Amino acid sequence: DAKTTQPPSMDCAEGRAANLPCNHSTISGNEYVYWYRQIHSQGPQYIIHGLKNNETNEMASLIITEDRKSSTLILPHATLRDTAVYYCIVRNSGNTPLVFGKGTRLSVIA
Amino acid sequence: DAGVIQSPRHEVTEMGQEVTLRCKPISGHDYLFWYRQTMMRGLELLIYFNNNVPIDDSGMPEDRFSAKMPNASFSTLKIQPSEPRDSAVYFCASSLSGWETQYFGPGTRLLVL
Repeated sequence: DAKTTQPPSMDCAEGRAANLPCNHSTISGNEYVYWYRQIHSQGPQYIIHGLKNNETNEMASLIITEDRKSSTLILPHATLRDTAVYYCIVRNSGNTPLVFGKGTRLSVIA
Repeated sequence: DAGVIQSPRHEVTEMGQEVTLRCKPISGHDYLFWYRQTMMRGLELLIYFNNNVPIDDSGMPEDRFSAKMPNASFSTLKIQPSEPRDSAVYFCASSLSGWETQYFGPGTRLLVL
């Protein structure tokens, strides 16, 4: 699977949009971009995934650049409960495992 | 559905003792995964099952670790004998098919003294 690069930490003011970047410059054509998050003392939680088109669900939006070498997870109105470690994972659609890196620790500040 | 259920939530044991961690996946899910999380190594996949059959156990650290899935609603991860370096949070996850979306349990926090 392609390696991803994320900033180790970010801060965001409560109520503002949180934009979490991820670089995956070696991504191949059949690889998807997945985002999971892990709130303290809980198991990871699926957020969203996409191949090349932008995606939106009730939790977040995923913006993938046209060359697919990077993406941004957007939490439109961050709340204190969004404080967590966010993992960007790239994998293909076959039976390959999710490989979790170190992620980005997002702190939402009141 | 109650989600993925793990027990116990916390386990403290002494080196050399046998430890058994339990997992009940979401009903109808065909895949079950066991992960381990430590500060040093992050979240690692240990083993996964498809339709109760172990598919890939290459992440199992050594022979002291074993996992079983006797039926679609139950899996165990056993460590025998346990060692202090096994101290970690162990997560179980399940998915409906393939790797599309995995749902994680709350984890078992294991401390081996």
